[in-house]
Amino acid sequence: SQTIHQWPATLVQPVGSPLSLECTVEGTSNPNLYWYRQAAGRGLQLLFYSVGIGQISSEVPQNLSASRPQDRQFILSSKKLLLSDSGFYLCAWTRGLNYEQYFGPGTRLTVT
Amino acid sequence: AQSVTQLDSQVPVFEEAPVELRCNYSSSVSVYLFWYVQYPNQGLQLLLKYLSGSTLVKGINGFEAEFNKSQTSFHLRKPSVHISDTAEYFCAVSSGDSSYKLIFGSGTRLLVRP
Repeated sequence: SQTIHQWPATLVQPVGSPLSLECTVEGTSNPNLYWYRQAAGRGLQLLFYSVGIGQISSEVPQNLSASRPQDRQFILSSKKLLLSDSGFYLCAWTRGLNYEQYFGPGTRLTVT
Repeated sequence: AQSVTQLDSQVPVFEEAPVELRCNYSSSVSVYLFWYVQYPNQGLQLLLKYLSGSTLVKGINGFEAEFNKSQTSFHLRKPSVHISDTAEYFCAVSSGDSSYKLIFGSGTRLLVRP
């Protein structure tokens, strides 16, 4: 069966520090991968998606970047965090076809 | 372009009462429709999905939804809610392109009171 992991689960970082969040999928190959953010009390905002290794599409221009160094690994990064980067970050994957997405447990990021 | 509207940001209901969470979508292509549930500090979990066939779709935890093409709606229902159903519920529609993105509504918080 397939599983999706996110690391770390929680993170507290000062403004101006770098960021690296990791998402890995097991049990499938060549998945489509997605990064979402939820600000406090708000809905889902799609940040990036990837349909293959090295292929990254950005949905919202901002202080973040994404990379896909391996087939089942998706990284979300920032060189300098802003207060507005605080939120709950979710990674998801899909095989495509029927569009059903499977979500990871999320990372709670607090920028202080 | 596809879009999803969840008209109610919060729905309070008493335990064992029925509930309906509303979802309307806009799309120029054939759609797949989904309801997800999110408990506090957790990821999203699929409740149910409509891909094709019967317009009444049954999901986990006693939830069901009905696809209405003429009204472009996909409302979620449960005949009797429990305290444990308190959560955020998201409706989503397929993007219809090769990105396989889902377009999510803004969410409805279901608050079940004893």
